[in-house]
Amino acid sequence: DQQVKQNSPSLSVQEGRISILNCDYTNSMFDYFLWYKKYPAEGPTFLISISSIKDKNEDGRFTVFLNKSAKHLSLHIVPSQPGDSAVYFCAASPYNNNDMRFGAGTRLTVKP
Amino acid sequence: NAGVMQNPRHLVRRRGQEARLRCSPMKGHSHVYWYRQLPEEGLKFMVYLQKENIIDESGMPKERFSAEFPKEGPSILRIQQVVRGDSAAYFCASARGTGETQYFGPGTRLLVL
Repeated sequence: DQQVKQNSPSLSVQEGRISILNCDYTNSMFDYFLWYKKYPAEGPTFLISISSIKDKNEDGRFTVFLNKSAKHLSLHIVPSQPGDSAVYFCAASPYNNNDMRFGAGTRLTVKP
Repeated sequence: NAGVMQNPRHLVRRRGQEARLRCSPMKGHSHVYWYRQLPEEGLKFMVYLQKENIIDESGMPKERFSAEFPKEGPSILRIQQVVRGDSAAYFCASARGTGETQYFGPGTRLLVL
């Protein structure tokens, strides 16, 4: 059962523009959401998170938006840089429960 | 300030052999998680352990797979009698406590011939 879905397997963006990565979830018990970035041959690296009590969390060029009614979250990267090219995974879990579910990932390519 | 360590990074086994994957969590982390990533798929949760205890193994296949996190030493994911379908990247993550952010190791890429 795919409780966390990333429907776009890939995204290509020009350097300096905004990258928007989307994620949908089905389990209303999910309370805590994370984005991880993964380079080839490396493990996922934690990027940013948001709990369900918020609808936005910002960290430098990265902002995560959460729309609980739509069960949707998105990651905005602005301005995008070539070094941001990686696979981005969305993850969700019920808070204080470690059963984290991952989406299939979106491969972002930022062109110089 | 070492991160999560996994070894080996690459492991080749023939069908029917055993595979042992090791994970050393970050310093100060007592929670370990194992995930599997099949080609072109996302990470799938396998098992969650604390020292000497399996907390949640709902993602583990019922047969041939086992995990432990002893009082001393790394966590071990053991796959007995490997089959070609076990070929995947296996990632370990550690966290300081329940609900804390998980930090991932570089993964072990298992290839079963």
